[in-house]
Amino acid sequence: EVVLTQSPGTLSLSPGERATLSCRASQSVIIDLAWYQRRPGQAPRLLVYGASSRATGIPDRFSGSGSGTNFTLTIDRLEPEDFAVYFCQQYGSSPVTFGQGTKVEIK
Amino acid sequence: QVQLQESGPRMVQPSETLSLTCAVSGYSITSGYSWAWIRQPPGKGLEWIGSVTHRGGTYYTPSLSSRLTISQDTSKNQFSLRLSSVTAADTAFYYCARRGSNDRTRRPYFFDFWGQGTPVTVSS
Repeated sequence: EVVLTQSPGTLSLSPGERATLSCRASQSVIIDLAWYQRRPGQAPRLLVYGASSRATGIPDRFSGSGSGTNFTLTIDRLEPEDFAVYFCQQYGSSPVTFGQGTKVEIK
Repeated sequence: QVQLQESGPRMVQPSETLSLTCAVSGYSITSGYSWAWIRQPPGKGLEWIGSVTHRGGTYYTPSLSSRLTISQDTSKNQFSLRLSSVTAADTAFYYCARRGSNDRTRRPYFFDFWGQGTPVTVSS
């Protein structure tokens, strides 16, 4: 199965800064990669699918890029509600697999 | 808006059966899509464990298939998970989610709606 490695494990930033999160796959998933946000006590929220397509209602400060084995989620101008855990998921091959997550915390 | 909500016991005895229910609102589970259970053990990544299609067909991760049953309760618009003979390794946060495509296949896909999740601890 495809192993997804996210880095860094924790990102300490201030509101207004840019966050850059990485997700690396052990083999190519083409662009079959999604990103999710998970806030404490809330359901995970789909942010990006197809590596770069924003899900419905997701602000344009969230952007995804990459293909093959290297993917990036960028959050421009962090808002207070953006401090959360982000995880990637590949669906290029079965079974679907997930990364361990990156926590974006307030510096 | 589609909403999912997990419910069930938070503590299960070793060797017993873990039972969880996912109540769905905003969409009929028999109208389309597949509906999944995903879990996250402490300190580990998320793991898809199984799904039920809108017609009641099921597919499971091989490592759990001998212990796992996922089923629908169409009268209540919910689906359930039953995992037998649990051990401490089954301790996890359990989520239900909707596969994000109504293409009527079992092809891997992302999940567009999730529940908040529920913690389950296997311990005596």
